[in-house]
Amino acid sequence: NAGVMQNPRHLVRRRGQEARLRCSPMKGHSHVYWYRQLPEEGLKFMVYLQKENIIDESGMPKERFSAEFPKEGPSILRIQQVVRGDSAAYFCASSPGGSPLHFGNGTRLTVT
Amino acid sequence: RKEVEQDPGPFNVPEGATVAFNCTYSNSASQSFFWYRQDCRKEPKLLMSVYSSGNEDGRFTAQLNRASQYISLLIRDSKLSDSATYLCVVRASGNTPLVFGKGTRLSVIA
Repeated sequence: NAGVMQNPRHLVRRRGQEARLRCSPMKGHSHVYWYRQLPEEGLKFMVYLQKENIIDESGMPKERFSAEFPKEGPSILRIQQVVRGDSAAYFCASSPGGSPLHFGNGTRLTVT
Repeated sequence: RKEVEQDPGPFNVPEGATVAFNCTYSNSASQSFFWYRQDCRKEPKLLMSVYSSGNEDGRFTAQLNRASQYISLLIRDSKLSDSATYLCVVRASGNTPLVFGKGTRLSVIA
């Protein structure tokens, strides 16, 4: 049973470009969470999704950031018009519901 | 006040030592508690859940004090491989997001 799969592992974007991060949850998991970790900082919650629904996006910046978890395919975190402050590790986690979260190995975004 | 507070460390201990980490949380309605471990530039991994009665998993013992809103982790007979950042994690209920502390860094020295 494959774990949570995130890609790409590393992503470099110039300021103003779009970043698209993908997350495939563990088999049987319908709950997906996205977290961001800035250098030397803790993990900060961004958004919680179930299939086709955003349940909680209280941690997501109001502008430039969006997330989806379609009926088919991976969850996508999209960052438009990236800025240097978006450089961070973005972790996705999944659960079948009511359980501890299992994390993917993250996408490290670098904005130049 | 931060939702989950931990001493950032670092804790530098010799192999074989016993070390304890503490954590406090602000939301008295929190229902679930965990310790995660994060190695440098890696994803967090679940170390253990924390139950009201306290629980043990090998060399690791976790305690919860709901009245004081305090969680602890005790590591006995430290190994070099225990070197990592230990994250105190709290959840309000059900499927609500996990709230992470910033972590306590442990270095076990030969």
